[in-house]
Amino acid sequence: DVVMTQTPVSLPVSLGGQASISCRSSQSLVHSNGNTYLHWYLQKPGQSPQLLIYRVSNRFSGVPDRFSGSGSGTDFTLKISRVEPEDLGDYYCLQSTHFPLTFGSGTKLEIK
Amino acid sequence: QVQLKESGPGLVQPSQTLSLTCTVSGFSLTSNSVHWVRQPPGKGLEWMGGIWGDGSTDYNSALKSRLSISRDTSKSQVFLKMNSLQTDDTAIYFCTRWEWSNYFDYWGQGVMVTVSS
Repeated sequence: DVVMTQTPVSLPVSLGGQASISCRSSQSLVHSNGNTYLHWYLQKPGQSPQLLIYRVSNRFSGVPDRFSGSGSGTDFTLKISRVEPEDLGDYYCLQSTHFPLTFGSGTKLEIK
Repeated sequence: QVQLKESGPGLVQPSQTLSLTCTVSGFSLTSNSVHWVRQPPGKGLEWMGGIWGDGSTDYNSALKSRLSISRDTSKSQVFLKMNSLQTDDTAIYFCTRWEWSNYFDYWGQGVMVTVSS
C-alpha cells in the first residue's frame, strides 16, 4: 500500500497569515496515463470532508484562490494564504493513483 | 443537486454484522461509483471500498474478508455489510461519490456506529 506521510501534525497560524502542509508518498503518484491523482480535503469540526484541490493543483468549484496546490512525483504541498477563521480544521491528502486508496494522517490547522 | 445520505444502526454488538445504506440523489449509480470511507473517533480517514458504475467492486485488502458492498439502482441505494465487528470498528462511516477524474467530490454527512455490548 502507498503510505502518505503528512506534516506537520498540528499547524498554529495567525489569522491573515500563511500556512503550508506537506504530503509525501512512498511511491510515485504518476499514473500510467500520465496523470497524478493527489487531492486535498478539509474537514471542519463535526462535518464531512470537503474537496479543496484535485489532481495536485486544480481548485474545486467554489474554493477560494487563497488555496493552492503544487508538487509532483512523491512530494506535494498545499498552501493557504491570508488564513481566515473558516479555514480551521483538519486537512488530508488523498492518493487515488494506486489501490487501495490511501489518505494522509491529517494536519490540524489552528489559531496561534 | 448531488446528495448522499447514510443510514443504519448506531449501535452494533461485537461479532455481529453491520449493515449501512447510502441513499443518493442527483446522479445515477450506473454512471458514477460510490465508495465508503470511515473515521474512528479522533482519528484519520480510511478508504473501505466502492462499487463502480458497472456493478463491479473494489475493497481495501485489510477489510476484504469481512466486507461486502452492493447496490439497488432502482432505489438509488448502495449497501455496506461488514461482519465480525470489533470495538475498533467504532467509527463514523461516510459514503462518497467518485468523480471521473479519480477523486471524491460529494460526501454524505456520515453515520456514527459504535461497537459495544
